[in-house]
Amino acid sequence: NAGVMQNPRHLVRRRGQEARLRCSPMKGHSHVYWYRQLPEEGLKFMVYLQKENIIDESGMPKERFSAEFPKEGPSILRIQQVVRGDSAAYFCASSPQSDSNEQFFGPGTRLTVL
Amino acid sequence: KQEVTQIPAALSVPEGENLVLNCSFTDSAIYNLQWFRQDPGKGLTSLLLIQSSQREQTSGRLNASLDKSSGRSTLYIAASQPGDSATYLCAVKGGSEKLVFGKGTKLTVNP
Repeated sequence: NAGVMQNPRHLVRRRGQEARLRCSPMKGHSHVYWYRQLPEEGLKFMVYLQKENIIDESGMPKERFSAEFPKEGPSILRIQQVVRGDSAAYFCASSPQSDSNEQFFGPGTRLTVL
Repeated sequence: KQEVTQIPAALSVPEGENLVLNCSFTDSAIYNLQWFRQDPGKGLTSLLLIQSSQREQTSGRLNASLDKSSGRSTLYIAASQPGDSATYLCAVKGGSEKLVFGKGTKLTVNP
């Protein structure tokens, strides 16, 4: 059973471009979470999704950021018009169900904005 | 609002020592607590998961305890090795689905 997969592993964008980060959860997992780790900071929750539904987006910046988890295919975190402050490591996690279940993390995508 | 604090922020020990990492959280209404390991530039590896009804979990040289009422958890590492050098993260899951992380303890084990 493959783990959580994220791609690309490294992404470089210039200011004003769009960044698309992809996450494929573990097989059988229907819950996906995105977290961001800024330099020298702890991981911060961004958004929690189930298939075709955003359940909790309380950690998402109000502008330029969006996330989806379609019926088919990976979850996508999209950042429009990137700025230097968006440079960070973005981690995806998945779990089979909510409540007390463990979250399994992917290797992350490191975004650098020039 | 849940806040998680990890002490110390950094720790350097000689190989072979037993050590304890501390984690405290402000809201005791949690579902579970996870300890992770993060190597530089890498992702998170889950080490131990303690459910709210449990007191401790063990895996090899690692033992994690949980005292919900006092809002504390400890990660005990026995007979430390240079390969244990990494940042150790504590995270709690409360009423919402999100994990709230501490900033981590950076451990260096010197040969």
